[in-house]
Amino acid sequence: SAVISQKPSRDICQRGTSLTIQCQVDSQVTMMFWYRQQPGQSLTLIATANQGSEATYESGFVIDKFPISRPNLTFSTLTVSNMSPEDSSIYLCSAQGGQGQPQHFGDGTRLSIL
Amino acid sequence: GENVEQHPSTLSVQEGDSAVIKCTYSDSASNYFPWYKQELGKRPQLIIDIRSNVGEKKDQRIAVTLNKTAKHFSLHITETQPEDSAVYFCAASKEKSGTSYGKLTFGQGTILTVHP
Repeated sequence: SAVISQKPSRDICQRGTSLTIQCQVDSQVTMMFWYRQQPGQSLTLIATANQGSEATYESGFVIDKFPISRPNLTFSTLTVSNMSPEDSSIYLCSAQGGQGQPQHFGDGTRLSIL
Repeated sequence: GENVEQHPSTLSVQEGDSAVIKCTYSDSASNYFPWYKQELGKRPQLIIDIRSNVGEKKDQRIAVTLNKTAKHFSLHITETQPEDSAVYFCAASKEKSGTSYGKLTFGQGTILTVHP
């Protein structure tokens, strides 16, 4: 399966600032996604990162708060903007090679906002 | 949208016993059901998956069953070992659907503890 690397692995940020998380896959993949996992909770899909076009956001998530880029088939970024303590969470990138293939996850970015 | 319910939220078993985790889904169009294992501080790892064209799939000590009519699926772990202790998540998605391809809806998770 594809190897998915996320950077940074963790960060502590001040409220009101923004942080960009990077996700790199070691092979070309069709689909990339961003999920949020709040402490002790399940995973919630934020958006689908579309290559060469705007991301598709799920209900409750907006582009101004979580801008996403996907310039090619192996790389995506998620920015968490104007952070508040409620944004403290683990952010996970996932990738799917193609239709009918399983989805695999990166190690996640543990974000704490003070 | 899809809603996935998972039970129980915690499960404690003795080493060697079997463990069963159950999930129900709401969208009859969902046709792909993976299970992930997440150890503390680690990424979710796919352990088994099933598609709606089969009723059961087995991989060594792990099996998954699917009842499309009742819209529920279950994970079965036999001969449990302490290293099986982790959080297990079920999920559902619709493959081959233009706008929903790949999107996973997760259950709430089950904390499995296997006592030596």
